[in-house]
Amino acid sequence: DSGVTQTPKHLITATGQRVTLRCSPRSGDLSVYWYQQSLDQGLQFLIQYYNGEERAKGNILERFSAQQFPDLHSELNLSSLELGDSALYFCASSPPQGNEQFFGPGTRLTVL
Amino acid sequence: AQSVTQLDSQVPVFEEAPVELRCNYSSSVSVYLFWYVQYPNQGLQLLLKYLSGSTLVKGINGFEAEFNKSQTSFHLRKPSVHISDTAEYFCAAQFPHGAGSYQLTFGKGTKLSVIP
Repeated sequence: DSGVTQTPKHLITATGQRVTLRCSPRSGDLSVYWYQQSLDQGLQFLIQYYNGEERAKGNILERFSAQQFPDLHSELNLSSLELGDSALYFCASSPPQGNEQFFGPGTRLTVL
Repeated sequence: AQSVTQLDSQVPVFEEAPVELRCNYSSSVSVYLFWYVQYPNQGLQLLLKYLSGSTLVKGINGFEAEFNKSQTSFHLRKPSVHISDTAEYFCAAQFPHGAGSYQLTFGKGTKLSVIP
């Protein structure tokens, strides 16, 4: 158990819908990262937040957005969902001065 | 461009045999390197990391990796594998992206299958 929690574990929805994925980092970690794992693209970095502020953006679609709240939990919002958005979405957290990232168990999103 | 390449998508190996999973990276600057393992239906667990210092890094579950700057490689090795090592292994790099940004760039993964 890494100490990073993600909810829900599974999510099944339809095309065009909007969903919210939630992540709680390890106690004391200020950074939260979101990654997408799909069969064709592999593991790709989406976005990073540090202590409530966006720090870096990767291959995140405009239909996707994220935020980190004062209690440091983070939410990833996916809208106008398409079949190709079906994937595993991982959250990771890291300590203030550390390089190591601790991954949550992931949320499996299925878009029908 | 900065990238990570895992040369083998699948590696079958007999139980108690040695294994090497290959990883190469492309970068003109210093990088930090990691190996993660993903068991079926689970998240990623860190096996080991190279930040600086000794080029031979030891990790959990008997795994080790060697950083080779001249060959830009970071191959993962285990002298004797067990059935429980069956999983997917990911090599990852942290390239410099500016202050406070430490996102990981992953390879495509190598599926290790240990045959009884």
